[in-house]
Amino acid sequence: GAGVSQSPSNKVTEKGKDVELRCDPISGHTALYWYRQSLGQGLEFLIYFQGNSAPDKSGLPSDRFSAERTGGSVSTLTIQRTQQEDSAVYLCASSSGGLVGYTFGSGTRLTVV
Amino acid sequence: GENVEQHPSTLSVQEGDSAVIKCTYSDSASNYFPWYKQELGKRPQLIIDIRSNVGEKKDQRIAVTLNKTAKHFSLHITETQPEDSAVYFCAASFGNEKLTFGTGTRLTIIP
Repeated sequence: GAGVSQSPSNKVTEKGKDVELRCDPISGHTALYWYRQSLGQGLEFLIYFQGNSAPDKSGLPSDRFSAERTGGSVSTLTIQRTQQEDSAVYLCASSSGGLVGYTFGSGTRLTVV
Repeated sequence: GENVEQHPSTLSVQEGDSAVIKCTYSDSASNYFPWYKQELGKRPQLIIDIRSNVGEKKDQRIAVTLNKTAKHFSLHITETQPEDSAVYFCAASFGNEKLTFGTGTRLTIIP
């Protein structure tokens, strides 16, 4: 596609429920990244994919968080048993790999009530 | 470990004046340094980047300088305009494709 697409754009969920966030990167981009941004805060790295492999998943906050990427394209970030502290904007980005900048999606605003 | 520090956290400048934001990084192996602008409620967007084999890069009113010896890099915005108001993030790549971001600078241009 023309840009990085994320869905849903907004998600309100009850504490304890599972959620899935989707990212569709720019066509042909081999690298895909997930970051989290809490209100008024910086960009916290979660995980990145090169193809379908995740060389670095060091930023996942707990074992409630997982992510996968299939077909070298779409990625899904899953949060199980959501907690209020999971409330944030989850940003996905993609790049062609190497020393180049990312293109970010518009993010999914997750609110856990 | 991988660490990027960014200063100041907030910056207000009079329209037409210059703004400078500074970042330092921890790993001398870092080789790529992009800057992102994030307007309120929008996604971060790449505005300029520099690689470790270059000391300075300019694009119209914005420029980035890199001092590898001191491990710091800076964003310079000249002739600031109201539309420059945003949060700016620096970032560094520590030998792989992952970027580590600074904590951001909220820039306000005063008309």
